[in-house]
Amino acid sequence: AQSVTQLGSHVSVSEGALVLLRCNYSSSVPPYLFWYVQYPNQGLQLLLKYTTGATLVKGINGFEAEFKKSETSFHLTKPSAHMSDAAEYFCAVSDSDYKLSFGAGTTVTVRA
Amino acid sequence: DTGVSQDPRHKITKRGQNVTFRCDPISEHNRLYWYRQTLGQGPEFLTYFQNEAQLEKSRLLSDRFSAERPKGSFSTLEIQRTEQGDSAMYLCASSLTQGWRSYEQYFGPGTRLTVT
Repeated sequence: AQSVTQLGSHVSVSEGALVLLRCNYSSSVPPYLFWYVQYPNQGLQLLLKYTTGATLVKGINGFEAEFKKSETSFHLTKPSAHMSDAAEYFCAVSDSDYKLSFGAGTTVTVRA
Repeated sequence: DTGVSQDPRHKITKRGQNVTFRCDPISEHNRLYWYRQTLGQGPEFLTYFQNEAQLEKSRLLSDRFSAERPKGSFSTLEIQRTEQGDSAMYLCASSLTQGWRSYEQYFGPGTRLTVT
């Protein structure tokens, strides 16, 4: 079975500062890993995904994540936060049937 | 491509009533998923379809829940005899699967259910 742990339910950053959201996974098979963003009262939007190949994955809106098998981690980063990055972020892992197992989410607030 | 749509967006019902939600996936997508998201939590998998076949149901999906995708296009999720614990956001997602490869899931805006 797959599972995801997101460290920190809330992260507050200053505009222009680094955004770092932590995600650790557990999987019995080589994982597919995803980061989704959710704005209030909206569905989830895919930021980026790792399936195979290059371990550093670039996504939309300047986000990137690095798959580290030895650490079972898939942390999300953005070098410079923007006010529009305020949202809830979910890390997810997928099994062979492709259904997603999500973490509990991390809410990001951006201070002006 | 208009994306995944869900109807209604909001539903308020009294305990014990039946409710039905609809999901229209992206037209060429052959897989359709239902998830439930409660406040402060990530979405939890409920069930999924490959075309019209329901391939898996989570233990979260009690006997009061039923999902259908009769023609392999839109899907409905019905909850009978609603309980207050059913209050949640119900999310639908669709994806394209070709052979061994599955592409990413696209989510709809969700249906927020409130049971009073």
